[in-house]
Amino acid sequence: DAGVTQSPTHLIKTRGQQVTLRCSPKSGHDTVSWYQQALGQGPQFIFQYYEEEERQRGNFPDRFSGHQFPNYSSELNVNALLLGDSALYLCASSLGSSVELFFGEGSRLTVL
Amino acid sequence: DQQVKQNSPSLSVQEGRISILNCDYTNSMFDYFLWYKKYPAEGPTFLISISSIKDKNEDGRFTVFLNKSAKHLSLHIVPSQPGDSAVYFCARRNNNAGNMLTFGGGTRLMVKP
Repeated sequence: DAGVTQSPTHLIKTRGQQVTLRCSPKSGHDTVSWYQQALGQGPQFIFQYYEEEERQRGNFPDRFSGHQFPNYSSELNVNALLLGDSALYLCASSLGSSVELFFGEGSRLTVL
Repeated sequence: DQQVKQNSPSLSVQEGRISILNCDYTNSMFDYFLWYKKYPAEGPTFLISISSIKDKNEDGRFTVFLNKSAKHLSLHIVPSQPGDSAVYFCARRNNNAGNMLTFGGGTRLMVKP
């Protein structure tokens, strides 16, 4: 049973560029959440998708957008990259509003 | 506004002894607190949770205590093993907010053989 998979695992971008990160949820899960983890800090909630719609959003600017596909996979897009966007981006899946979230290994983004 | 705080960035414990990791919170609007463990180059993995209506939950070597009057919870690991060395995050699940989690900053636990 595949867990949560994310791609790419590492990537380097320059300021002003755009990036797309991808996530496939654990089998049977229908809800996908995205978190940003800066170095030395805990993960911060970006947004959550359920039934292809953004259900909740954290305190992140509109440069951060997402999408959920009919097969429940999801993308995170970040436009106009800033140096401060350098972080580990974690995808988590769950079944509805179940307590436990399952996390992927993350995509480490470096913005130069 | 740090709503969930883990004031100890690191903790070192001898193998076989007890590890106690602490977490404080400010907002009482939650239904669960969860603990996650994270190894380098891996995503966080769920460890144990506690409902807001309980004051203790136990799972094998792991016990979480919730003190609502002090707005404090702790994770006890007994006995500690070298494989427990990781970063531990406490996370609050808000009432009426789906399953969005608010994480603390983490505590790095090192268990020495």
